[in-house]
Amino acid sequence: EAGVVQSPRYKIIEKKQPVAFWCNPISGHNTLYWYRQNLGQGPELLIRYENEEAVDDSQLPKDRFSAERLKGVDSTLKIQPAELGDSAVYLCASSRTTGGWDEQFFGPGTRLTVL
Amino acid sequence: GEDVEQSLFLSVREGDSSVINCTYTDSSSTYLYWYKQEPGAGLQLLTYIFSNMDMKQDQRLTVLLNKKDKHLSLRIADTQTGDSAIYFCAERSGYSTLTFGKGTMLLVSP
Repeated sequence: EAGVVQSPRYKIIEKKQPVAFWCNPISGHNTLYWYRQNLGQGPELLIRYENEEAVDDSQLPKDRFSAERLKGVDSTLKIQPAELGDSAVYLCASSRTTGGWDEQFFGPGTRLTVL
Repeated sequence: GEDVEQSLFLSVREGDSSVINCTYTDSSSTYLYWYKQEPGAGLQLLTYIFSNMDMKQDQRLTVLLNKKDKHLSLRIADTQTGDSAIYFCAERSGYSTLTFGKGTMLLVSP
């Protein structure tokens, strides 16, 4: 079984530029999560999807961040415009069911550097 | 809000036991987790314990939970160089929300 796939693995951009990250969860997993992991910190949840619906986006900075999960499978996280403080690893995770306590499987992350 | 604290660094010699400690503040935590992160990789779930348990053993891993003190530990027996990684403690009290600590870097020397 393939794991959670993320691309790109690395991205370097200048501040004020837009950037997008893509995630393909494990096949059949209904819940998808985006986390941000700052250097030396643990992951922090940005947004959680159950199928196509964003059920928890309370920690997503909505002035510059947006996310979508069309058709309830792949997801894209966008930052526009990027700021220096957005440099971090962006992790995508998925779990099988909604409304449960299933294990979250993490992708390798996208390391973003904003210059 | 919830807070999870861990020591930042642990160094052991190969073959010794490693003990990584974690404290948490949310008394309503239901599940507590240990994740492993190797360089350039995502987080891998190692083990978890339900809050009504005191101990869980899984091969070389032993998790101890002191709910009164809100203290969680992970013991790795016969630590190997391949165990070198960052270990994250995480707690879940709310619906599907994990709160992670900052991670403990374990360095195993030959």
